[in-house]
Amino acid sequence: AQSVTQPDIHITVSEGASLELRCNYSYGATPYLFWYVQSPGQGLQLLLKYFSGDTLVQGIKGFEAEFKRSQSSFNLRKPSVHWSDAAEYFCAVAGGNEKLTFGTGTRLTIIP
Amino acid sequence: NAGVTQTPKFQVLKTGQSMTLQCAQDMNHEYMSWYRQDPGMGLRLIHYSVGAGITDQGEVPNGYNVSRSTTEDFPLRLLSAAPSQTSVYFCASSPRTGYSYEQYFGPGTRLTVT
Repeated sequence: AQSVTQPDIHITVSEGASLELRCNYSYGATPYLFWYVQSPGQGLQLLLKYFSGDTLVQGIKGFEAEFKRSQSSFNLRKPSVHWSDAAEYFCAVAGGNEKLTFGTGTRLTIIP
Repeated sequence: NAGVTQTPKFQVLKTGQSMTLQCAQDMNHEYMSWYRQDPGMGLRLIHYSVGAGITDQGEVPNGYNVSRSTTEDFPLRLLSAAPSQTSVYFCASSPRTGYSYEQYFGPGTRLTVT
């Protein structure tokens, strides 16, 4: 069975600082990996996805993520955060079908 | 395109009542699914459908029923509401073509069972 671990429940970052959100997955073959963002009271919006090929993927809003098979990780990064990035971030894995398994989420707070 | 729409946005039920959460999509997506979101638990799959007339259970199906009579609609029925079903419910759809697996989410329904 597939699973996702997001070890950080809550992260606080200063505006303009860099950001890295951690995600570790468990799946026997090459997974399909996703990062979603959820603003308060909203649904989920896809930030980026990895299926195959280049292990560094670019997404919307200046986010990127790197797939590292040896570490079973798919960490999300942004070089300089903005106050509008405050939200909850979910990593998800699909094991060859559409059934997504989500992590428990990381809440990001931005301080001025 | 409206994308994925859900109604109602908010609902309060008493224990034992039944209701249907509506979900519709206008993108001709074959795959549709229902999730519930609870604090500290992420999103958990309740039921899903890979096409009209085909449904299957997800991770937490007990107490919920679904049907898929058309491509566009995928309602979720609570048979006899319980306080444990207090949650935020999200519907999602996916095109399935090209092995995208990218899911598009609705805005959610916040349900409180008293």
